[in-house]
Amino acid sequence: GESVGLHLPTLSVQEGDNSIINCAYSNSASDYFIWYKQESGKGPQFIIDIRSNMDKRQGQRVTVLLNKTVKHLSLQIAATQPGDSAVYFCAEAGNQFYFGTGTSLTVIP
Amino acid sequence: DAGVIQSPRHEVTEMGQEVTLRCKPISGHNSLFWYRQTMMRGLELLIYFNNNVPIDDSGMPEDRFSAKMPNASFSTLKIQPSEPRDSAVYFCASSSRQGRQETQYFGPGTRLLVL
Repeated sequence: GESVGLHLPTLSVQEGDNSIINCAYSNSASDYFIWYKQESGKGPQFIIDIRSNMDKRQGQRVTVLLNKTVKHLSLQIAATQPGDSAVYFCAEAGNQFYFGTGTSLTVIP
Repeated sequence: DAGVIQSPRHEVTEMGQEVTLRCKPISGHNSLFWYRQTMMRGLELLIYFNNNVPIDDSGMPEDRFSAKMPNASFSTLKIQPSEPRDSAVYFCASSSRQGRQETQYFGPGTRLLVL
């Protein structure tokens, strides 16, 4: 069936470096995408979203890129900090709503 | 804003017992979602409500699970009878627009352990 999947289940980066977390989606009807951050023992927390009429959106230290041609979504975190260590989920919404399996980001001080 | 409130935060019960999880959505939000999260299956949408009406319950595992939303500020997820495989973290989320196409704000979750 259609699903959202992540290329990398784990990612380790040095503090101060940039992080890139990738996500592939397969439902061509999806037109709204969200990135969530989940810290240990907490619920998912909204980071940034993007609609399908855009290919890039920037927030504070985060950028989401959407490539509809290849059905790919990425989250870029600039100057990664220890507090960014968490599991990151992408989610897609259209006629259905799915969460990806998550990528665990570890920031090395 | 207090955010989405869930109770209890932790629940330990024995197989066969009834479990009731509670959720208070963010004031003014008109959509409410129940999710289950496990290591094996990740985040699964169980059911969602728009304006207190259940819209899609296709994710509810089986008849042992039921959810209600008697008013805009309260929802329950009930498991009766509970089984060890129901052990998971159950999240409630709310959003301000109908349907799935709006950011969902999650509660802290209820960690359920069924022995």
